[in-house]
Amino acid sequence: KAGVTQTPRYLIKTRGQQVTLSCSPISGHRSVSWYQQTPGQGLQFLFEYFSETQRNKGNFPGRFSGRQFSNSRSEMNVSTLELGDSALYLCASSWFNYGYTFGSGTRLTVV
Amino acid sequence: KQEVTQIPAALSVPEGENLVLNCSFTDSAIYNLQWFRQDPGKGLTSLLLIQSSQREQTSGRLNASLDKSSGRSTLYIAASQPGDSATYLCAFPTGANSKLTFGKGITLSVRP
Repeated sequence: KAGVTQTPRYLIKTRGQQVTLSCSPISGHRSVSWYQQTPGQGLQFLFEYFSETQRNKGNFPGRFSGRQFSNSRSEMNVSTLELGDSALYLCASSWFNYGYTFGSGTRLTVV
Repeated sequence: KQEVTQIPAALSVPEGENLVLNCSFTDSAIYNLQWFRQDPGKGLTSLLLIQSSQREQTSGRLNASLDKSSGRSTLYIAASQPGDSATYLCAFPTGANSKLTFGKGITLSVRP
């Protein structure tokens, strides 16, 4: 059974650019959530999608957005990148109340 | 607001020791609790999931318990090995289909 796949694994972007990260959940999982992890703030919830609808949203500025497609794959986009957006971005998929499976993450570096 | 505490933040032990990692939470209304392991720069690997109706779960050398009344979960690692060195996080959804609330993690170092 394939796990959660995140692409790309690493990204280097310049301030002001935008970036799109992708997440393919475990087959059959309809919920996909995104987290940002930094050394200072730890793991922070960005948003969660279920059946193409955003069901929960964390306290991040509007520069952070996401979407989910009909095949449950999800993308998150960050526009007008800032140095502070440098982080490990983690995606997780879940099936009802049976726990979360995380991907390997995308390491974003903003220079 | 649900608060999650994992103490200590870091732990160093010699190989072979049995360990107990603690996770405390303030609101007992949790649906389940999950323990994760994170190696540096990597994603989270799920170790054990305990449903709210369960008291414990076991996988190999790992055993996790859940006591909602006292607001505590423990992860027991038997006969620790250097390969167990990682950060261990507890997390749970604070409502049905809700976001995960994480502890800050315990960074474990097992010395050969």
